[in-house]
Amino acid sequence: GQNIDQPTEMTATEGAIVQINCTYQTSGFNGLFWYQQHAGEAPTFLSYNVLDGLEEKGRFSSFLSRSKGYSYLLLKELQMKDSASYLCAVREDSNYQLIWGAGTKLIIKP
Amino acid sequence: DGGITQSPKYLFRKEGQNVTLSCEQNLNHDAMYWYRQDPGQGLRLIYYSQIVNDFQKGDIAEGYSVSREKKESFPLTVTSAQKNPTAFYLCASRATGFSNQPQHFGDGTRLSIL
Repeated sequence: GQNIDQPTEMTATEGAIVQINCTYQTSGFNGLFWYQQHAGEAPTFLSYNVLDGLEEKGRFSSFLSRSKGYSYLLLKELQMKDSASYLCAVREDSNYQLIWGAGTKLIIKP
Repeated sequence: DGGITQSPKYLFRKEGQNVTLSCEQNLNHDAMYWYRQDPGQGLRLIYYSQIVNDFQKGDIAEGYSVSREKKESFPLTVTSAQKNPTAFYLCASRATGFSNQPQHFGDGTRLSIL
């Protein structure tokens, strides 16, 4: 079956680094997306990985290991505005439908 | 500015009533999607459309209906058959040219039962 696991909630300190993990079990794999969602707002796209390795984009980086069914989102130099939920989504095949994890709520403390 | 507009932001439904949620995009995207978001759960796909005048059921289509008469518009009707409609509804669109194109979301409609 299809399954995407993320921790429900994480807490980190302003200025620190946090890693949010995502593991997936799907019948196929054709890309993994990370989104940020502030409470009551729309998800916004952060990153896309389809090949193994690290993709860096400013303070945010995303890593993928297809053999392990594993990805992480790394947030550096945390700011209070990074307090949000982070959603992991996997595309199984070429029909472009996404399977979504439940999201990780990140709380940033001063 | 290009984007996706959902309206209304808040909506209340009475028993036995059908309600329609609007979604309009000016991004010239071919594909459009409707999701439902409940607390503690991932986004669940209700319906999607890859092209005008064509749409497919997602994982939780029962009690919902859609139309795609124009490229820009993809309205969702929550019918009285949907017994638990209280949720946050998100509309998304996507360019279909390349596989790395992400879905872009509207600001959502929060539906509640009166």
